Amino acid sequence: QQQVKQSPQSLIVQKGGISIINCAYENTAFDYFPWYQQFPGKGPALLIAIRPDVSEKKEGRFTISFNKSAKQFSLHIMDSQPGDSATYFCAAARSDKIIFGKGTRLHILP
Amino acid sequence: EAGVVQSPRYKIIEKKQPVAFWCNPISGHNTLYWYLQNLGQGPELLIRYENEEAVDDSQLPKDRFSAERLKGVDSTLKIQPAELGDSAVYLCASSLTLRDPQYFGPGTRLTVL
Repeated sequence: QQQVKQSPQSLIVQKGGISIINCAYENTAFDYFPWYQQFPGKGPALLIAIRPDVSEKKEGRFTISFNKSAKQFSLHIMDSQPGDSATYFCAAARSDKIIFGKGTRLHILP
Repeated sequence: EAGVVQSPRYKIIEKKQPVAFWCNPISGHNTLYWYLQNLGQGPELLIRYENEEAVDDSQLPKDRFSAERLKGVDSTLKIQPAELGDSAVYLCASSLTLRDPQYFGPGTRLTVL
């Protein structure tokens, strides 16, 4: 009930392609779903977040798609660039808990 | 505005020694978190503070780990005695509330020999 399952573990995408990372949660009490980006040697940094009252949120090249009935959400990176190479974490939060996924290591080929 | 500050950035100690990590959150952030991050894994919450109160310490190994947040601002996480398995990155983060964006510090990489 407390898990957030993230896939894939690693992803290689050509420059200019679309990177897609998926997450699934179990507890319907979660109501805040952020994505974090982490570069080596740095702490995670908030990339984009969504609340369950909307099905999609877009910020620049980054889009979150949210499927409340399936308890799934995904991150889409359009026109992926080598600078996007990093580890991405999804998370699910409610009033008293936040759970992170295990991360996806993304590599964009130049 | 300064972000979350952590020190030290790196620490190497021998097993059974004590170690302490310090965190200064973003000004005005009432919620402070300590996370443990193993290589290739997501952050795992150790303890969460709301002001000076520890509201979630269910994942903190209390036999060897302790934490405090004096006056609801800075926080210290201590391990005594350290074990080999404690080698990891310890991240501090802060936010206005649990459902607001969290801002992470750079972390302290601990190596226990």
